[in-house]
Amino acid sequence: SAVISQKPSRDICQRGTSLTIQCQVDSQVTMMFWYRQQPGQSLTLIATANQGSEATYESGFVIDKFPISRPNLTFSTLTVSNMSPEDSSIYLCSGRASGGSVQETQYFGPGTRLLVL
Amino acid sequence: DAKTTQPNSMESNEEEPVHLPCNHSTISGTDYIHWYRQLPSQGPEYVIHGLTSNVNNRMASLAIAEDRKSSTLILHRATLRDAAVYYCILRALNDYKLSFGAGTTVTVRA
Repeated sequence: SAVISQKPSRDICQRGTSLTIQCQVDSQVTMMFWYRQQPGQSLTLIATANQGSEATYESGFVIDKFPISRPNLTFSTLTVSNMSPEDSSIYLCSGRASGGSVQETQYFGPGTRLLVL
Repeated sequence: DAKTTQPNSMESNEEEPVHLPCNHSTISGTDYIHWYRQLPSQGPEYVIHGLTSNVNNRMASLAIAEDRKSSTLILHRATLRDAAVYYCILRALNDYKLSFGAGTTVTVRA
C-alpha cells in the first residue's frame, strides 16, 4: 500500500494568481496522476505525471494552465496558473504502486480544496 | 471507453447488507470491473476488483453476472462508516487510468 499526502490541504486565492500543490508518497510508485473534482461532481483526470519528462494531459487540460513536475518516484507538484473562480475545486493526487499488474490498486491523497475569489 | 450505469443513491439501515448494482452492457472481454468509494472529505479508496469470477475481501464482495454485463457490490453489514459515494469503474487490460462516473451515494441509517 501507499500513503499519499498533499500540501496545502486547502487554500483561498485571488483570481489571477497561481498555486502550487505538492504531493508526497511514502513509497515508490510507478505512476502518479492528478485529478480535479468540481463541487458536487465526480473526479476528472487532469494528467499523468511522468518522472523526468513532460506530463501527459487529458483532453481539455493544457500544460500552460496546469504545469506538473515529477522530479522523482515519490513527489509531484501541480500548479494551477492564472486562477479564475471556475478553478475552485478539489485537486487530488493519486499513485499506482510499483510492481504488480496493470490492474494494481491506485491510492489517493486527501485532496487540496481550492477556492478562488 | 466502456461506460457504467449506477443508481444515484441508495439507503440502508445499519447492520443490514447493501447491494449496489452496476450495469456495463458494453464491457469488453478484457475489461476489469473495479469499485472505489469516496468517504466524505476524503480521496477515493479501493474497494475490490474482478474480471469474471466473484471476489471477496475484507471490505466487500463482488458478484459478476455470467454475461458480465452487470455486477453487484455487496457490503455484508453496513456501518455508519460505510456512508460514501461508490464508483463502479471499468478498466481495460492495459489501461492505467481510472475514469470515474457519477457513482452511487450510499446513506446508512442508524
